Amino acid sequence: KQEVTQIPAALSVPEGENLVLNCSFTDSAIYNLQWFRQDPGKGLTSLLLIQSSQREQTSGRLNASLDKSSGRSTLYIAASQPGDSATYLCAVKAGGANSKLTFGKGITLSVRP
Amino acid sequence: GAGVSQSPSNKVTEKGKDVELRCDPISGHTALYWYRQSLGQGLEFLIYFQGNSAPDKSGLPSDRFSAERTGGSVSTLTIQRTQQEDSAVYLCASSSQHYEQYFGPGTRLTVT
Repeated sequence: KQEVTQIPAALSVPEGENLVLNCSFTDSAIYNLQWFRQDPGKGLTSLLLIQSSQREQTSGRLNASLDKSSGRSTLYIAASQPGDSATYLCAVKAGGANSKLTFGKGITLSVRP
Repeated sequence: GAGVSQSPSNKVTEKGKDVELRCDPISGHTALYWYRQSLGQGLEFLIYFQGNSAPDKSGLPSDRFSAERTGGSVSTLTIQRTQQEDSAVYLCASSSQHYEQYFGPGTRLTVT
């Protein structure tokens, strides 16, 4: 059974800091991995999708990497801003293109002005 | 174009009542998913529809939960005889051939 872990559960950093959010998964036979952002009381916004054949994806100040063999992904946020404060969720998909996502419990990030 | 929409956004119901939650996926998306987000439990998969194939119901927690998808578009999740432990945010997602899942805003269900 696939399990996804995100540690720590919460993180507080000063504005401007570069930071790394970690995600680990137990079964390396994944189809893809997705990082999401969730604001309080809101749904999920997809940030980056990495296919199993890829090593990283970039969007603006965000960079996500994937190391399937070690069961790890990282989300790098450059020059953090207070508007980046949210919960960041990692999810993996196994079993094919349209199978379910298995989620971690998320990291709640607070960026202090 | 429009994203995934869900209704109602909030639902308060009494224990023992039935509820229906609705999801309108992104037009043209063939796959539709229901997830549940509870405090302390994270996001859990409930059910998945793909085209005309039989749905994957492996995540439904009990036989009080059921879902249907009519005409390959709109989906309804029904919870019968609601219990307090059913209180959660119910999220719907859809995806296209490119496989990235897009989520709706969710329905917050409170069972009193």
